[in-house]
Amino acid sequence: NAGVTQTPKFQVLKTGQSMTLQCAQDMNHNSMYWYRQDPGMGLRLIYYSASEGTTDKGEVPNGYNVSRLNKREFSLRLESAAPSQTSVYFCASKEMTGLENYGYTFGSGTRLTVV
Amino acid sequence: SQQGEEDPQALSIQEGENATMNCSYKTSINNLQWYRQNSGRGLVHLILIRSNEREKHSGRLRVTLDTSKKSSSLLITASRAADTASYFCATRTSGGYQKVTFGTGTKLQVIP
Repeated sequence: NAGVTQTPKFQVLKTGQSMTLQCAQDMNHNSMYWYRQDPGMGLRLIYYSASEGTTDKGEVPNGYNVSRLNKREFSLRLESAAPSQTSVYFCASKEMTGLENYGYTFGSGTRLTVV
Repeated sequence: SQQGEEDPQALSIQEGENATMNCSYKTSINNLQWYRQNSGRGLVHLILIRSNEREKHSGRLRVTLDTSKKSSSLLITASRAADTASYFCATRTSGGYQKVTFGTGTKLQVIP
C-alpha cells in the first residue's frame, strides 16, 4: 500500500548511544518532515525538507540531524541520545510545496526510549 | 504555548450522539486541518479548510472556521465506536513556509 514507512517501530537506547530513524514514502511527495510527539505537548516539528537536496530546522532541532537521501527517503539521526529524547517520532510527507490543498501523510511512528 | 489548542481535552459520548471539538489559535492562518490518531498509530488527515472558507463537509464530518474569533470546530455526527481516537487541529500560519503547528488534541471516547 502507498504511504509512509518508518523503521524501526520500537527502540531502546542507552544514554549516549546513536541511532538513525529511517523514513521512506512512495507517493512522489516533494516535502518530508520529522515530528516528535510527547504527552500533553502535541506534535513538534524537528526538521523538514521542502524538496530533495534541502533541509531546514523546525521548532526543536537540537540533538538531531537529518539527511534527505533522495526524493523518497528522509532519515533522522540522534548522535548522542539523551533521556529527554524519549518520545514517539513521526515522519510525514506532503504533496507539493506551495500547494496548500493537501494535508500530511504520516507514518505509523517510532517509539523511542532512552534509558 | 501551542498555536492551536483543542477543547475539551477529553470527551466521552454514547454511540449515535454528535461530538463537537473546538480549536483556538493565536495568529493569522492560511489554512486549518483536522487529523485523527488512533491509539498507537500515526495521524490521519481528515479535512482541510482554507482561511477564506467558513464551513466544509466530508461524510459525517463538519468543520467550521471563524477567523474573526480565531477558532474552528469539528463536528462528528452520529458517532460510532470506531470514531474513538484523539483529534488534532493543525494550523498553517500565513507567511510561514511549510510549517504547520499542531495542537495538543481532544481525546474522544465513543461508548457502544
